[in-house]
Amino acid sequence: GQQLNQSPQSMFIQEGEDVSMNCTSSSIFNTWLWYKQDPGEGPVLLIALYKAGELTSNGRLTAQFGITRKDSFLNISASIPSDVGIYFCAGQLAGGTSYGKLTFGQGTILTVHP
Amino acid sequence: KAGVTQTPRYLIKTRGQQVTLSCSPISGHRSVSWYQQTPGQGLQFLFEYFSETQRNKGNFPGRFSGRQFSNSRSEMNVSTLELGDSALYLCASRIGAGNTEAFFGQGTRLTVV
Repeated sequence: GQQLNQSPQSMFIQEGEDVSMNCTSSSIFNTWLWYKQDPGEGPVLLIALYKAGELTSNGRLTAQFGITRKDSFLNISASIPSDVGIYFCAGQLAGGTSYGKLTFGQGTILTVHP
Repeated sequence: KAGVTQTPRYLIKTRGQQVTLSCSPISGHRSVSWYQQTPGQGLQFLFEYFSETQRNKGNFPGRFSGRQFSNSRSEMNVSTLELGDSALYLCASRIGAGNTEAFFGQGTRLTVV
């Protein structure tokens, strides 16, 4: 089963507000990825993180790789209606048995009210 | 540059039948992995292929199998379909081995009736 705890499960916000979501695990990850998925579509990669402590931005999105390598955060600033969707964190566990395998969080459903 | 292409987009099958799904990775990408997405279990890893070799496999029964061709295109097969196999099947493409970004296709929506 999944080993990532993603929170919150859902968020209802007003356009213009900032959003924060995070993922935590009891295991150490080598890589953290953040994806956005629209209904009926595949996940779209937003940000990739490779080093503990790394902070990376992509437009209004900012993500961080936790120092302990067991967590990651995604922030969205000044939300707009097209930010609506499901956001997933995903990580690749350290260790040879996890080769090529991403473990996903349960997702955060974001709703933005105009 | 074309993205990951999965065919077909939608499938309806009957219990007991088998199905084959196809995935063409991004040009130049040599690694293909497959995931099953359901409302109850979320995104679950099925298997990954690199250079025509299965490198890793998730916790799915042997009814789920796959292969990769020399042009990096991949297929997955599910035999003796069960109602619980209804899901969105997603293919992800990577440039190569190791910790690199995975890019997903639009998925194949399989419904088993």
